[in-house]
Amino acid sequence: QKEVEQNSGPLSVPEGAIASLNCTYSDRGSQSFFWYRQYSGKSPELIMFIYSNGDKEDGRFTAQLNKASQYVSLLIRDSQPSDSATYLCAVSNTGNQFYFGTGTSLTVIP
Amino acid sequence: DAMVIQNPRYQVTQFGKPVTLSCSQTLNHNVMYWYQQKSSQAPKLLFHYYDKDFNNEADTPDNFQSRRPNTSFCFLDIRSPGLGDAAMYLCATSRGMRASGRTDTQYFGPGTRLTVL
Repeated sequence: QKEVEQNSGPLSVPEGAIASLNCTYSDRGSQSFFWYRQYSGKSPELIMFIYSNGDKEDGRFTAQLNKASQYVSLLIRDSQPSDSATYLCAVSNTGNQFYFGTGTSLTVIP
Repeated sequence: DAMVIQNPRYQVTQFGKPVTLSCSQTLNHNVMYWYQQKSSQAPKLLFHYYDKDFNNEADTPDNFQSRRPNTSFCFLDIRSPGLGDAAMYLCATSRGMRASGRTDTQYFGPGTRLTVL
């Protein structure tokens, strides 16, 4: 399977701070990029998707994509304790397959 | 509400005893996926269907089979479960790839936790 790499963490940030999550991928043919949040024992839920180079903002979340560097990131502003979860990066090529990283565990400290 | 449903939520089976996990969707999506996720690991794609077109990942063991009898339902059959097959099994759906080459979002069911005794 194609490689998707994430720093497993754990990443700890104080409440109200910015959390920065990073992801690199190996397949240069990848076209579609997703961030999912997964709480312990639950299934992944979509936070954001991004297709084009640059930034995409949705509320407190900003996804950043740099295809030349094969790098995608997620910024969470004004982090809340409820943001504490594992964040999964997923990458899709042109064949409908999705490949996931192992996730970064985020803890927001009140 | 449109959704992805998995049954059962928890399944216990014995070593070597065949088991079937079920997934259904009301989203009318073309693509259905099965993933295996072990603790602290990435979801691992086992296979996916685009409509009735089956796509197997190269490293999916032969012990895992799948059926999609219609648009709404997809089944995962584990022919002879081993202890190493204990995991969360996730079903997901998607509209699939657009003409642009970009892939639409996946939506996950709640998962089935499989225990092998």
